[in-house]
Parts: sequence; C-alpha cells; structure tokens
Amino acid sequence: AQRVTQPEKLLSVFKGAPVELKCNYSYSGSPELFWYVQYSRQRLQLLLRHISRESIKGFTADLNKGETSFHLKKPFAQEEDSAMYYCALAGGYQKVTFGTGTKLQVIP
Amino acid sequence: DVKVTQSSRYLVKRTGEKVFLECVQDMDHENMFWYRQDPGLGLRLIYFSYDVKMKEKGDIPEGYSVSREKKERFSLILESASTNQTSMYLCASSLVSGGARNEQFFGPGTRLTVL
Repeated sequence: AQRVTQPEKLLSVFKGAPVELKCNYSYSGSPELFWYVQYSRQRLQLLLRHISRESIKGFTADLNKGETSFHLKKPFAQEEDSAMYYCALAGGYQKVTFGTGTKLQVIP
Repeated sequence: DVKVTQSSRYLVKRTGEKVFLECVQDMDHENMFWYRQDPGLGLRLIYFSYDVKMKEKGDIPEGYSVSREKKERFSLILESASTNQTSMYLCASSLVSGGARNEQFFGPGTRLTVL
C-alpha cells in the first residue's frame, strides 16, 4: 500500500520568512514524488517533481529515502505563495496517491 | 496547452437521482482519473482509466461507476446520489508513457451538492 502524510493542515508564515511544508510517504518500492499547488479559484497544477530536480517559483524539494520524506522548502515566502499544497506519490504503474493537503498562508 | 474541461462547475441534485459528470481532454492522453476533493481528506481517487473501455477502481469506488467510450471523454456516474457524495469532483488526465509517473493535468472541478 502507498500512503502520503502531510501533518499540517495550515501553515502560517510571515512574508520573507522561510517555508517548509512537510510530506512523508510510505511505499515499499521506488516512488516518484510530486508537489501540486492550487491557488485560489484556479485549478490544481503541478509545482515540481523530484525526478526533475529543479526549482520552481523558488521552491525546492529533496527526496530523502532514509526518512521517507519529500518536504517542500522556500527560503523567503511571498504573498503570492498563499495556496493549498498537495504532496503526491506515484508508486504503482497507474495510481497516484495524494496527501490531505496543507494550506499555506503568507501574512504580509 | 493541455485543456481538461468538465461539463458543469456547479450541480445540485436530489437524493436518489442518477448523476453524470463529464470530462473531456484535448491532448490525446491515455490516462484519465476521477477524484473527489474534501477538506481535511485531500484528493481521493475514485476510478481511473488507462485506455478506452478500460477502468480500474481507485480508493473509494463505492457508489460510483465510470464510462470511457472515447479516448478524450471520461464520465463519472453516481447511480443513486446520496448526501455523503456532496463534494468537489476533479477530473485529470496524463500521458501513458511512464504510466502514473507523468504529470496529471486537472480540470476546474465540479462542485456537486446532493440535497
């Protein structure tokens, strides 16, 4: 079975402060991990995936297989980062499992 | 630019009605998915399809069925709507190359209310 855990429902940070959205996973094989984002009144969209190892909008995420984590980080939060963030795991051939989501609120 | 469209943004139905939610994608994607999105529960997979006329159950298929007669269209059917099926329904599609490891493209969602 594959599982994704996002322990925080809401994360509030001040503008300019560092951000870390936590994601832990459970999967016996070699997973692929994603972060999706949903801005207010917009559709869910891919933010980044671990295999591409790139930074998108200043966000990065490193897959830590030892700790089975894929935390999303940004050194300086911006107001436009306020959104709902979902961690997702692709394990089996077709199935993707999403976490429960973390709402990021950046306070001006 | 990938476009995934859903037939309705808002839908209100009565308990016991049969409900059809339609999803169309225009990028020739093989995979299509139906999720429901609920606060505190995240996205939960209802059904997915990796080819025409093929379907696989997701994590919460009970009370739902699906139909994929054409590659671009994936329908979610609530045979007899119940109040606990009030939710936001999201459709998504992706390429089959690499299977589920490809980016999913989402529709705008249908907010269904069952009275």
